[in-house]
Amino acid sequence: QKEVEQNSGPLSVPEGAIASLNCTYSDRVSQSFFWYRQYSGKSPELIMSIYSNGDKEDGRFTAQLNKASQYVSLLIRDSQPSDSATYLCAVMDSNYQLIWGAGTKLIIKP
Amino acid sequence: EAGVTQFPSHSVIEKGQTVTLRCDPISGHDNLYWYRRVMGKEIKFLLHFVKESKQDESGMPNNRFLAERTGGTYSTLKVQPAELEDSGVYFCASSQDARPLHFGNGTRLTVT
Repeated sequence: QKEVEQNSGPLSVPEGAIASLNCTYSDRVSQSFFWYRQYSGKSPELIMSIYSNGDKEDGRFTAQLNKASQYVSLLIRDSQPSDSATYLCAVMDSNYQLIWGAGTKLIIKP
Repeated sequence: EAGVTQFPSHSVIEKGQTVTLRCDPISGHDNLYWYRRVMGKEIKFLLHFVKESKQDESGMPNNRFLAERTGGTYSTLKVQPAELEDSGVYFCASSQDARPLHFGNGTRLTVT
């Protein structure tokens, strides 16, 4: 069974620090990886997508992918209280279906 | 561009009743997905439409759930009869080709 694993948290990070969120996946042939942010009571919002090994940067966000280790991470630099949310890792399988992690709750403390 | 819209935003029904959820995808998106998240659990795939055809309905929990997508536009998800364990948030998402999904705001279903 294909799985995506995330630490449920909560992960508490001081304002201005770097938040590091991690995700591992079981399906070795996965090619597309996504990070979604979900505020309480709201729908998931796509913040990053990554398709090849290495780092991809977009503003304060950096996604990192290591296919050999089946590991994808999200770094948030200069963390802000507004970054407090649940971050969902999603992996697209060979049938173009998304397999979701349970999410990591991130708390940025002022 | 208008996003994915879902209706209603919240529905409270009694066990045994019927509820129909609606999703309007982003215009031009052939792919439409239904997902569900129950309290404290991860988002689970229900089914996938490509235009009006069901591409994959392996995630549908049982035959009390019926999804349709008439004319390849909006989709409905009917639960009949609803059970307590059907409570959760039902998300619809759409995409074009294999691009990332765009989600609607979800319908929070409460079965009492």
